[in-house]
Amino acid sequence: AQSVTQLGSHVSVSEGALVLLRCNYSSSVPPYLFWYVQYPNQGLQLLLKYTSAATLVKGINGFEAEFKKSETSFHLTKPSAHMSDAAEYFCAVTPSNDYKLSFGAGTTVTVRA
Amino acid sequence: ETGVTQSPTHLIKTRGQQVTLRCSSQSGHNTVSWYQQALGQGPQFIFQYYREEENGRGNFPPRFSGLQFPNYSSELNVNALELDDSALYLCASSSGRASMQETQYFGPGTRLLVL
Repeated sequence: AQSVTQLGSHVSVSEGALVLLRCNYSSSVPPYLFWYVQYPNQGLQLLLKYTSAATLVKGINGFEAEFKKSETSFHLTKPSAHMSDAAEYFCAVTPSNDYKLSFGAGTTVTVRA
Repeated sequence: ETGVTQSPTHLIKTRGQQVTLRCSSQSGHNTVSWYQQALGQGPQFIFQYYREEENGRGNFPPRFSGLQFPNYSSELNVNALELDDSALYLCASSSGRASMQETQYFGPGTRLLVL
């Protein structure tokens, strides 16, 4: 079975500051890992995904994430927050031999001017 | 290229009623997955359809059922609605079966309120 834990349900950052969202996973087989963003009253948009290629994955809107097998982590970062980054972020995992996404509970990001 | 669309956007039902939610997949996609997102939680996988057949199911009771049509659009049906069925229902489409190499594209969702 696979699961995802997102540490921190809410994160508040100043505009221009580093954004760091934490995600730890458990999976019985090599995982595929994803970060999605959800803006208010909208569906999910894929930010980036890890599918066993490079461990540092670059996504859209300046986000990137690093897969660390030894720590079972896939933390999301962005060097400089913009007001438009205010949203809810979900980490998700699926075993590489499966297709059912298991999502974390989400982290809400607010950006202070 | 059109994205994933869902209808209706909002819906209010009462306990015991039945509801049908609809999803049009992105052009060229033959796989549709449905997710339930309760308030304050992450989405939970309900089931997936590939070329009109159910391709896998999450931990949801049989009163949650679905269909996929020849044009790969899909329906989610929920019978005997319960208060806990109140949630945002998300549809996602992709190309290819059982492969997360292919990105799932999500629609905006249908928000269901059961009173």
